[in-house]
Amino acid sequence: DPKIIQKPKYLVAVTGSEKILICEQYLGHNAMYWYRQSAKKPLEFMFSYSYQKLMDNQTASSRFQPQSSKKNHLDLQITALKPDDSATYFCASSPDWGDAETLYFGSGTRLTVL
Amino acid sequence: GQQVQQSPTSLVLQEGENAELQCNFSTSLNSMQWFYQRPGGSLISVFYNPSGTKQSGRLTSTTVIKERRSSLHISSSQITDSGTYLCAMGMNYNQGKLIFGQGTKLSIKP
Repeated sequence: DPKIIQKPKYLVAVTGSEKILICEQYLGHNAMYWYRQSAKKPLEFMFSYSYQKLMDNQTASSRFQPQSSKKNHLDLQITALKPDDSATYFCASSPDWGDAETLYFGSGTRLTVL
Repeated sequence: GQQVQQSPTSLVLQEGENAELQCNFSTSLNSMQWFYQRPGGSLISVFYNPSGTKQSGRLTSTTVIKERRSSLHISSSQITDSGTYLCAMGMNYNQGKLIFGQGTKLSIKP
């Protein structure tokens, strides 16, 4: 059974709309992350959270807003979508913040913005 | 410029041949990992190897900090080894923030 669940697996949106990408982890981890993988760029770090608090934000645009309603949830809200936002978004978690040795990734949400 | 460079970009081998994947870092290395990614799939950690040599079955990873490089060697490749291999380095202040390379796409033919 997957321990990090991302929903939906595929998502198609129109330019200017808003979407929420869901991530839940059942590993009992305290830290969660978002990464993005687009066709033109390597996998890139977006955010990290520890105990539901934002620790690091490498996303320049405020259109990307993580939301953590529970310790094991870290959703990603994207507003005013643009075609350049098309990418696969991966959620990840680790036992504690900064613990790269045991970093687990979800299977991703593939977002296409038309 | 890109901090993590992987080579080759793609590699096609016959089953049974050995594969050598390289990763070079432009900044001082704090930690590094190798990941395996299936087409359209998630990432699975293959090695966490900040320094030295680690082996797991047919896979061997060697990281040389002074030379800012790491390699992944796959011996006696199998069709199921096909996929993309990504190397990533961890940042000093937040090792959960990984800087990834572009990946090496490995295709093993029967």
